[in-house]
Order: sequence, then C-alpha cells, then structure tokens
Amino acid sequence: EPEVTQTPSHQVTQMGQEVILRCVPISNHLYFYWYRQILGQKVEFLVSFYNNEISEKSEIFDDQFSVERPDGSNFTLKIRSTKLEDSAMYFCASIEGPDQPQHFGDGTRLSIL
Amino acid sequence: AQSVTQPDIHITVSEGASLELRCNYSYGATPYLFWYVQSPGQGLQLLLKYFSGDTLVQGIKGFEAEFKRSQSSFNLRKPSVHWSDAAEYFCAGRGYGNKLVFGAGTILRVKS
Repeated sequence: EPEVTQTPSHQVTQMGQEVILRCVPISNHLYFYWYRQILGQKVEFLVSFYNNEISEKSEIFDDQFSVERPDGSNFTLKIRSTKLEDSAMYFCASIEGPDQPQHFGDGTRLSIL
Repeated sequence: AQSVTQPDIHITVSEGASLELRCNYSYGATPYLFWYVQSPGQGLQLLLKYFSGDTLVQGIKGFEAEFKRSQSSFNLRKPSVHWSDAAEYFCAGRGYGNKLVFGAGTILRVKS
C-alpha cells in the first residue's frame, strides 16, 4: 500500500536555526497537510496546500513557517528561526480528493535546544 | 466551533475483554468522523471512517464504531482486545477545508 514518507525521523536543531522537514505524499494525491503534536497535547492543524498554494492556515502558522512543493513529489515545511516551543512531532498528510480520509506519515520529531 | 472531545485520557482493559472508547463531537451539519491509532514512535493509522449512510462502520483490526446523532457520539468498540492493541487512539472530525480536528486522545493499556 502506498505510504506518506517523512524525513528525517528525528531532527535536533539549535534555537534560532532554520529547519526544513520533508514529506513525500502518495503520488496521486492532490491535497497536502501539516500537523503538529506537542508532547502530551493533541494533534493540531498547521496548514493545508492545494494546487501549489496554501488553502488554509492556523494561527500557529505564522511568518516563521512556510511550505513549498519544490517538485512533483516533495512537500516541505520550513521553520525560519526555530524557538523552543517549536519542539514537537510534525506530521504530513495527504489525500487524493476532498472526501477522502487523510493518510499520515510517521512524523518527524523536532527537538529545539 | 467544530470540536471533538475524548473524555477518557487513559483506559486499561484486560486482554480478551471488550473495549469502548468514547468520542463526542460538536458540528453543525453531518460530520465526517474518523478514528486513528498511534503506536509509540509511529504515525497515525486510519482505523475507520464515517461519512454517511450506515451508522455502524467496520474498520481494520476488528474495530467498529457507531455514529449516534442523538448523542453526538462516535464511540469506537472492539469485542476482544489483544495486547497489540495497546496504543493511543484519536477521534477526529473533518473541519472546513478538509482539515482534521482531533480529540485529545485516549491511551489504551492492555493487561494480561
């Protein structure tokens, strides 16, 4: 069964540094999402992306965050200047169409020191 | 506002016993509802979904869930729990623009 893949599985970064989290959605999927889960808290929506532009973003997704689909397969989340509170598990998800369930990757655990 | 509530943070059941995990939702129209499972260090795996139609939906790994509009609930059930079912379970609803709104999760412990 096709999977959403995320790299790296764990990223350790100094506060203030830029970090890029990478995702390869399922190949025929058209809608892409990033979520995050701070340790002990619920999974929260960050941003959705369709047709090469952001469809919706949450309050969390401020100017420090950006997303990009640089080629036909990758979908990236960039945090420009990381803060301690950005430490979390970040999940990528994708769907084929608007009424389909989301398929999630295994996540990237981001640790900011 | 759309919201999903899972009232139980932890549940412990004996292996072989039945299981019911509670989920309540607050949505204006007929919601699209999901249950996901997360094993330690793993991603979110879809167990089942409800979009419309039959209110009892079957999922993978022997799970089922029943949508009850009158109670605003979408509880997950399994007749006989296995030790490998120990994990965290998330109920989610589809919000505007297809984003998912998650409950806080229920951690299931299985004792032998």
